[in-house]
Amino acid sequence: DQQVKQNSPSLSVQEGRISILNCDYTNSMFDYFLWYKKYPAEGPTFLISISSIKDKNEDGRFTVFLNKSAKHLSLHIVPSQPGDSAVYFCAAREYGNKLVFGAGTILRVKS
Amino acid sequence: DTEVTQTPKHLVMGMTNKKSLKCEQHMGHRAMYWYKQKAKKPPELMFVYSYEKLSINESVPSRFSPECPNSSLLNLHLHALQPEDSALYLCASSQDLRAGGPRVQFFGPGTRLTVL
Repeated sequence: DQQVKQNSPSLSVQEGRISILNCDYTNSMFDYFLWYKKYPAEGPTFLISISSIKDKNEDGRFTVFLNKSAKHLSLHIVPSQPGDSAVYFCAAREYGNKLVFGAGTILRVKS
Repeated sequence: DTEVTQTPKHLVMGMTNKKSLKCEQHMGHRAMYWYKQKAKKPPELMFVYSYEKLSINESVPSRFSPECPNSSLLNLHLHALQPEDSALYLCASSQDLRAGGPRVQFFGPGTRLTVL
């Protein structure tokens, strides 16, 4: 049973436009949500996080929105750049700092 | 220094071999993790160490044996693996489990393991 779902396997966006990556979860006990970016042959790189008691967190071009009632979060990247092309994982934190990852979304930013 | 290093980068082993994966961090983190990632799948947690003690074992088969000799090092000893164990093995570290905030996990580049 997938507790964290990223329903879009891939997303293609024009350079300079907004990229929106979505994530849904089922477990109300998750207390933090994190987004990671992964290039091939590298480990995941942390991007941004949000506490379950917040609804928005912003860091430069990256903003994460959390809708707790809908159990939904999204990552906005504005403006998108070709170097943002990677696999993006949504992760939710539960006991013992355990992270549960979604399946990932491949983002392609076209120049 | 926000780097987690892992050696080797690639490993090919037979089902009767014994090998070890190594992970090192110098960020002063007191929690370390092993994850397994199969192709086109998300990382899955295997083990968590907190202050050099095993905190979580996600029902991992005994052919995988973790070891945390000190706060900077984490090993994964492999013995009698199966071909289905072929995967990318990722190590991560974070602040200790009692710290507040997101306790972000920083990942190493991984070891690509192939079991023949």
